[in-house]
Amino acid sequence: AQTVTQSQPEMSVQEAETVTLSCTYDTSESDYYLFWYKQPPSRQMILVIRQEAYKQQNATENRFSVNFQKAAKSFSLKISDSQLGDAAMYFCAYRPIYTGTASKLTFGTGTRLQVTL
Amino acid sequence: NAGVTQTPKFQVLKTGQSMTLQCAQDMNHEYMSWYRQDPGMGLRLIHYSVGAGITDQGEVPNGYNVSRSTTEDFPLRLLSAAPSQTSVYFCASSPRTANYGYTFGSGTRLTVV
Repeated sequence: AQTVTQSQPEMSVQEAETVTLSCTYDTSESDYYLFWYKQPPSRQMILVIRQEAYKQQNATENRFSVNFQKAAKSFSLKISDSQLGDAAMYFCAYRPIYTGTASKLTFGTGTRLQVTL
Repeated sequence: NAGVTQTPKFQVLKTGQSMTLQCAQDMNHEYMSWYRQDPGMGLRLIHYSVGAGITDQGEVPNGYNVSRSTTEDFPLRLLSAAPSQTSVYFCASSPRTANYGYTFGSGTRLTVV
């Protein structure tokens, strides 16, 4: 079974600074997708960024980028120019690519990010 | 589009009571899932469905039932509520294409006393 590990329960960053959230995963599959979700205090789950395992290029969405290391099974999220609105719980998630198992999304335990002035 | 609609948003149950959490999506997604979120444990999969009439168990299915009679609806039934089922519940849907993440509902905070 696939597992996703987020080893940092809490992180703190000053406004305008850069922070990196870590995620590792375990799988025997060669093709899959990885995601970062943001959960603000409103409780809504918001998709931040996605990465296809077969693409070597790291995904970027505005201030959010990932460092995907397939051999190391590592998928970290970098937030640049942090803003107060970035304060939230962040979840790393894994999804297989093939029909049948592709219905399952497996989450890590989350990292709570605080943004300070 | 409304996306994924969950009702109710909050619920308090007494131990032993039963109830149904409703979930509906209007995006014609094949896949639907129910997760529970507990502090320090992330989101754990309860049940999932790959299409109307097809459901399967996830990681923590005990105490819950599901059915999927239509593409749009995927209700979660608590048969006999227990305090251990106090949690936040999320319904989510996705098209069959795996490169999409799931779209989530706004969640239901359930307290069992």
